Amino acid sequence: AQSVTQPDIHITVSEGASLELRCNYSYGATPYLFWYVQSPGQGLQLLLKYFSGDTLVQGIKGFEAEFKRSQSSFNLRKPSVHWSDAAEYFCAVGSAAGTALIFGKGTTLSVSS
Amino acid sequence: DAGITQSPRHKVTETGTPVTLRCHQTENHRYMYWYRQDPGHGLRLIHYSYGVKDTDKGEVSDGYSVSRSKTEDFLLTLESATSSQTSVYFCAHEDSGSRNEQFFGPGTRLTVL
Repeated sequence: AQSVTQPDIHITVSEGASLELRCNYSYGATPYLFWYVQSPGQGLQLLLKYFSGDTLVQGIKGFEAEFKRSQSSFNLRKPSVHWSDAAEYFCAVGSAAGTALIFGKGTTLSVSS
Repeated sequence: DAGITQSPRHKVTETGTPVTLRCHQTENHRYMYWYRQDPGHGLRLIHYSYGVKDTDKGEVSDGYSVSRSKTEDFLLTLESATSSQTSVYFCAHEDSGSRNEQFFGPGTRLTVL
């Protein structure tokens, strides 16, 4: 069955510290991978995407993610977290245009001062 | 701005009443989706559309119907709302050549009393 697992429901990071959010997937086809961010009361904003090629992809707001096929992972990273990064983060997997994305259950990021 | 709006943004209704949520996109994209978001579940697909008058069911379609009479509009109808349909509803759109990259609206928070 196709699935996305985000093992951490809630993470707290100090402002200025580094961040890594984990994402593992189970998918039959070659996956397209996405990270979305959702601020409270807002819609989902696309942070970054991976289709093929270079396994380290850069996104908006200083985020990056690395695709590791052998581990079926697509972890999100940021070297220095800002208070404005506090939000919920969703990993999603897809395979072709016109098909549903499969979402993880999300990780809530809190940033402490 | 992802070129997509939803209306209403908030709605409170009573059990047994019909409810229609509207999604409007300005990008002329082929694919449109309705998801619902519930705590601990991430986003789950309700219905999707691959063209005018072409729709199909998603993972959690029971109790919902959709219609798409124009490229830009995708309507979600709850024929007889139930408390289990209290949720946040997101619409998304996708270009046919985008490799499953979806852009989301701001969401509609529906409460069924």
